[in-house]
Amino acid sequence: SAVISQKPSRDICQRGTSLTIQCQVDSQVTMMFWYRQQPGQSLTLIATANQGSEATYESGFVIDKFPISRPNLTFSTLTVSNMSPEDSSIYLCSVDGQSEPFYGYTFGSGTRLTVV
Amino acid sequence: QKEVEQNSGPLSVPEGAIASLNCTYSDRGSQSFFWYRQYSGKSPELIMFIYSNGDKEDGRFTAQLNKASQYVSLLIRDSQPSDSATYLCAVNEDNFNKFYFGSGTKLNVKP
Repeated sequence: SAVISQKPSRDICQRGTSLTIQCQVDSQVTMMFWYRQQPGQSLTLIATANQGSEATYESGFVIDKFPISRPNLTFSTLTVSNMSPEDSSIYLCSVDGQSEPFYGYTFGSGTRLTVV
Repeated sequence: QKEVEQNSGPLSVPEGAIASLNCTYSDRGSQSFFWYRQYSGKSPELIMFIYSNGDKEDGRFTAQLNKASQYVSLLIRDSQPSDSATYLCAVNEDNFNKFYFGSGTKLNVKP
């Protein structure tokens, strides 16, 4: 199955600044997904990133706050912009596990963000 | 977002017992259903998936799906302390493009 390298694994950032999170996959994948997991809560889909097109954002998430890049089929970035303490969460990228038959989606190890 | 409901727990079971985790979903058009296990501070890992009504067994794990009742469950037989984690139910649309997660059930298996 696909292996995802996500970095940074954690960061502590000042409010008002931005952080870019990177996900690198060891195989080509059509779609990459970005999730947020706030403390003690489940995963919420932020957006779906396709190579060569604009990301598709879920309700409550906007491009100005969470710009996403998808320059090729193995890489994507999520930027958390103009951060506030409410952005403190774990951010995860996810891809199709790339197994046959389909066996679900694989997650990166996550980025634990603390905004102070 | 679509609703996926789970009892947050914690669910406590003794070692060796059967743990039963339940999940209901709101979108009748959902096609596939997944159970993820998440240890504290770690990312989710897939345990089981099920597409068809009925039971699906994999080792100590059995997933059960009832689309008419919009209900999916996970049974863990011979529970072990290492099974202590949060279990997330995930549902996705028929194009496999989006997952919607429940809030998770925290399972504690007591030695």
